[in-house]
Amino acid sequence: AQTVTQSQPEMSVQEAETVTLSCTYDTSESDYYLFWYKQPPSRQMILVIRQEAYKQQNATENRFSVNFQKAAKSFSLKISDSQLGDAAMYFCAYRSGNTDKLIFGTGTRLQVFP
Amino acid sequence: GAGVSQTPSNKVTEKGKYVELRCDPISGHTALYWYRQSLGQGPEFLIYFQGTGAADDSGLPNDRFFAVRPEGSVSTLKIQRTERGDSAVYLCASSLPGGRNTDTQYFGPGTRLTVL
Repeated sequence: AQTVTQSQPEMSVQEAETVTLSCTYDTSESDYYLFWYKQPPSRQMILVIRQEAYKQQNATENRFSVNFQKAAKSFSLKISDSQLGDAAMYFCAYRSGNTDKLIFGTGTRLQVFP
Repeated sequence: GAGVSQTPSNKVTEKGKYVELRCDPISGHTALYWYRQSLGQGPEFLIYFQGTGAADDSGLPNDRFFAVRPEGSVSTLKIQRTERGDSAVYLCASSLPGGRNTDTQYFGPGTRLTVL
Protein backbone atom coordinates (compact mmCIF):
# COMPACT_ATOMS: atom_id res chain seq x y z
CA ALA A 1 0.00 0.00 0.00
CA GLN A 2 1.12 3.52 -0.69
CA THR A 3 2.08 5.77 2.20
CA VAL A 4 2.93 9.46 2.53
CA THR A 5 5.17 10.73 5.32
CA GLN A 6 5.60 14.29 6.48
CA SER A 7 8.24 14.30 9.19
CA GLN A 8 7.95 17.96 10.17
CA PRO A 9 4.89 18.56 12.38
CA GLU A 10 5.69 22.29 12.55
CA MET A 11 7.86 24.75 10.68
CA SER A 12 8.33 28.48 11.01
CA VAL A 13 9.70 31.14 8.69
CA GLN A 14 10.29 34.85 8.74
CA GLU A 15 8.25 36.93 6.34
CA ALA A 16 10.02 37.30 2.95
CA GLU A 17 12.29 34.34 3.66
CA THR A 18 12.27 30.90 2.05
CA VAL A 19 11.11 27.67 3.68
CA THR A 20 11.09 24.06 2.52
CA LEU A 21 8.55 21.47 3.64
CA SER A 22 9.50 17.81 3.33
CA CYS A 23 7.49 14.88 2.06
CA THR A 24 8.44 11.31 1.26
CA TYR A 25 6.24 8.58 -0.13
CA ASP A 26 6.36 4.89 -0.69
CA THR A 27 5.01 3.21 -3.81
CA SER A 28 5.87 0.48 -6.25
CA GLU A 29 3.95 2.16 -9.06
CA SER A 30 5.45 4.15 -11.90
CA ASP A 31 2.35 6.17 -12.82
CA TYR A 32 1.22 8.53 -10.10
CA TYR A 33 0.63 12.14 -9.17
CA LEU A 34 1.80 14.18 -6.21
CA PHE A 35 0.15 17.22 -4.70
CA TRP A 36 0.62 19.85 -2.05
CA TYR A 37 -2.54 21.19 -0.47
CA LYS A 38 -2.85 24.13 1.92
CA GLN A 39 -5.48 24.08 4.68
CA PRO A 40 -6.04 27.40 6.46
CA PRO A 41 -8.15 27.63 9.64
CA SER A 42 -11.24 27.85 7.43
CA ARG A 43 -10.65 24.08 6.81
CA GLN A 44 -10.95 24.34 3.03
CA MET A 45 -8.16 22.43 1.29
CA ILE A 46 -6.62 24.52 -1.48
CA LEU A 47 -4.42 23.00 -4.16
CA VAL A 48 -0.99 24.63 -4.14
CA ILE A 49 0.86 22.61 -6.75
CA ARG A 50 0.80 19.23 -8.52
CA GLN A 51 3.44 17.07 -10.12
CA GLU A 52 3.01 14.23 -12.57
CA ALA A 53 5.51 11.45 -11.95
CA TYR A 54 6.24 11.06 -15.65
CA LYS A 55 7.44 14.66 -15.87
CA GLN A 56 11.08 15.21 -15.01
CA GLN A 57 10.74 18.96 -14.73
CA ASN A 58 9.85 20.26 -11.28
CA ALA A 59 6.50 22.03 -11.10
CA THR A 60 6.41 25.74 -10.27
CA GLU A 61 3.51 28.02 -9.38
CA ASN A 62 4.60 31.58 -8.70
CA ARG A 63 6.33 31.53 -5.28
CA PHE A 64 5.79 27.79 -4.86
CA SER A 65 8.04 25.15 -6.37
CA VAL A 66 8.77 21.52 -5.75
CA ASN A 67 11.88 19.40 -5.66
CA PHE A 68 10.73 16.06 -7.05
CA GLN A 69 13.28 13.31 -6.59
CA LYS A 70 11.64 10.23 -8.07
CA ALA A 71 14.38 7.73 -7.23
CA ALA A 72 14.47 8.91 -3.63
CA LYS A 73 10.65 9.15 -3.50
CA SER A 74 10.90 12.66 -2.16
CA PHE A 75 8.62 15.59 -2.95
CA SER A 76 9.47 18.76 -1.05
CA LEU A 77 7.72 22.11 -1.32
CA LYS A 78 9.68 25.35 -1.40
CA ILE A 79 7.91 28.59 -0.57
CA SER A 80 9.85 31.69 -1.57
CA ASP A 81 9.26 35.22 -0.31
CA SER A 82 6.97 33.89 2.44
CA GLN A 83 3.91 35.95 3.26
CA LEU A 84 1.76 36.08 6.37
CA GLY A 85 -1.06 34.56 4.34
CA ASP A 86 1.00 31.44 3.75
CA ALA A 87 0.50 30.41 7.39
CA ALA A 88 -1.56 27.21 7.34
CA MET A 89 -1.39 23.43 7.47
CA TYR A 90 0.27 21.95 4.41
CA PHE A 91 -0.53 18.43 3.29
CA CYS A 92 1.37 16.32 0.82
CA ALA A 93 -0.81 13.88 -1.11
CA TYR A 94 -0.35 10.97 -3.51
CA ARG A 95 -2.66 9.64 -6.17
CA SER A 96 -2.09 6.46 -8.12
CA GLY A 97 -2.58 6.55 -11.85
CA ASN A 98 -4.98 3.63 -11.41
CA THR A 99 -7.29 5.11 -8.78
CA ASP A 100 -8.88 8.43 -7.96
CA LYS A 101 -8.44 8.65 -4.21
CA LEU A 102 -5.84 10.86 -2.58
CA ILE A 103 -3.58 9.54 0.16
CA PHE A 104 -2.49 12.31 2.50
CA GLY A 105 0.35 12.77 4.91
CA THR A 106 -0.20 14.00 8.44
CA GLY A 107 0.57 17.60 7.57
CA THR A 108 3.03 20.33 8.51
CA ARG A 109 1.88 23.44 10.34
CA LEU A 110 3.65 26.48 8.89
CA GLN A 111 3.93 29.64 10.94
CA VAL A 112 5.04 32.90 9.33
CA PHE A 113 6.47 35.61 11.56
CA PRO A 114 6.57 39.29 10.59
CA GLY B 1 -22.05 27.81 -7.31
CA ALA B 2 -18.44 28.79 -7.64
CA GLY B 3 -17.07 26.12 -5.33
CA VAL B 4 -17.94 22.98 -3.42
CA SER B 5 -20.38 23.68 -0.63
CA GLN B 6 -21.14 21.54 2.39
CA THR B 7 -23.93 21.72 4.93
CA PRO B 8 -24.15 21.95 7.82
CA SER B 9 -20.89 23.63 8.72
CA ASN B 10 -21.05 22.11 12.19
CA LYS B 11 -23.18 19.30 13.57
CA VAL B 12 -23.42 18.22 17.17
CA THR B 13 -25.27 15.01 17.92
CA GLU B 14 -25.62 12.44 20.64
CA LYS B 15 -24.20 8.97 20.58
CA GLY B 16 -26.53 6.58 18.81
CA LYS B 17 -28.24 9.20 16.66
CA TYR B 18 -28.45 9.30 12.87
CA VAL B 19 -26.86 12.15 10.88
CA GLU B 20 -26.81 13.28 7.27
CA LEU B 21 -24.10 15.47 5.77
CA ARG B 22 -24.65 17.17 2.44
CA CYS B 23 -22.23 18.05 -0.34
CA ASP B 24 -22.97 20.21 -3.37
CA PRO B 25 -20.16 19.85 -5.95
CA ILE B 26 -18.93 22.31 -8.52
CA SER B 27 -21.33 22.45 -11.44
CA GLY B 28 -20.28 20.07 -14.18
CA HIS B 29 -18.04 17.96 -11.98
CA THR B 30 -19.08 14.34 -12.35
CA ALA B 31 -16.61 12.94 -9.83
CA LEU B 32 -17.29 13.40 -6.11
CA TYR B 33 -15.26 12.28 -3.11
CA TRP B 34 -15.78 12.06 0.63
CA TYR B 35 -12.88 12.18 3.09
CA ARG B 36 -12.73 12.15 6.87
CA GLN B 37 -10.19 14.20 8.77
CA SER B 38 -9.63 13.37 12.41
CA LEU B 39 -7.94 15.84 14.73
CA GLY B 40 -4.25 16.22 13.91
CA GLN B 41 -4.42 13.94 10.89
CA GLY B 42 -4.59 14.25 7.16
CA PRO B 43 -7.84 13.48 5.35
CA GLU B 44 -8.64 9.81 4.82
CA PHE B 45 -10.57 8.61 1.79
CA LEU B 46 -14.07 7.25 2.36
CA ILE B 47 -15.87 6.93 -0.97
CA TYR B 48 -15.75 8.11 -4.58
CA PHE B 49 -18.65 8.61 -6.98
CA GLN B 50 -18.49 8.82 -10.73
CA GLY B 51 -21.90 10.11 -11.71
CA THR B 52 -24.58 8.39 -9.64
CA GLY B 53 -22.66 5.25 -8.82
CA ALA B 54 -20.08 4.59 -6.13
CA ALA B 55 -16.94 3.69 -8.06
CA ASP B 56 -14.88 3.03 -4.94
CA ASP B 57 -16.26 2.69 -1.40
CA SER B 58 -13.25 0.92 0.05
CA GLY B 59 -12.67 3.64 2.63
CA LEU B 60 -16.00 3.39 4.41
CA PRO B 61 -15.08 2.15 7.91
CA ASN B 62 -18.15 -0.04 8.51
CA ASP B 63 -21.77 -0.55 7.53
CA ARG B 64 -22.94 2.38 9.65
CA PHE B 65 -21.62 4.67 6.92
CA PHE B 66 -23.44 5.05 3.65
CA ALA B 67 -23.42 7.66 0.89
CA VAL B 68 -25.72 8.38 -2.03
CA ARG B 69 -25.71 10.60 -5.08
CA PRO B 70 -29.07 9.86 -6.74
CA GLU B 71 -28.98 12.46 -9.50
CA GLY B 72 -25.25 12.65 -10.07
CA SER B 73 -24.89 16.02 -8.41
CA VAL B 74 -25.57 16.52 -4.68
CA SER B 75 -24.33 13.78 -2.40
CA THR B 76 -25.35 12.85 1.12
CA LEU B 77 -23.16 10.98 3.59
CA LYS B 78 -25.27 9.12 6.12
CA ILE B 79 -24.03 7.82 9.45
CA GLN B 80 -26.21 5.55 11.55
CA ARG B 81 -25.89 4.88 15.29
CA THR B 82 -23.15 7.48 15.64
CA GLU B 83 -20.25 6.79 17.99
CA ARG B 84 -17.89 9.22 19.69
CA GLY B 85 -15.11 7.97 17.42
CA ASP B 86 -17.02 9.32 14.41
CA SER B 87 -16.23 12.86 15.55
CA ALA B 88 -14.17 14.46 12.78
CA VAL B 89 -14.31 16.92 9.92
CA TYR B 90 -15.96 15.38 6.88
CA LEU B 91 -14.62 16.84 3.65
CA CYS B 92 -16.16 16.63 0.22
CA ALA B 93 -14.31 17.21 -3.04
CA SER B 94 -15.28 17.19 -6.69
CA SER B 95 -13.43 17.01 -9.98
CA LEU B 96 -13.84 16.61 -13.69
CA PRO B 97 -13.57 12.99 -14.79
CA GLY B 98 -10.26 11.46 -15.73
CA GLY B 99 -7.58 13.10 -17.78
CA ARG B 100 -4.10 14.02 -16.75
CA ASN B 101 -4.79 17.72 -16.40
CA THR B 102 -8.45 17.96 -15.52
CA ASP B 103 -8.86 15.76 -12.49
CA THR B 104 -7.69 18.07 -9.72
CA GLN B 105 -9.90 17.64 -6.67
CA TYR B 106 -11.47 20.82 -5.32
CA PHE B 107 -12.50 20.64 -1.69
CA GLY B 108 -15.37 22.12 0.26
CA PRO B 109 -15.02 23.68 3.73
CA GLY B 110 -16.10 20.49 5.46
CA THR B 111 -18.63 19.60 8.13
CA ARG B 112 -17.34 19.30 11.67
CA LEU B 113 -19.23 16.46 13.34
CA THR B 114 -19.13 16.18 17.10
CA VAL B 115 -20.68 13.14 18.75
CA LEU B 116 -21.30 13.63 22.46
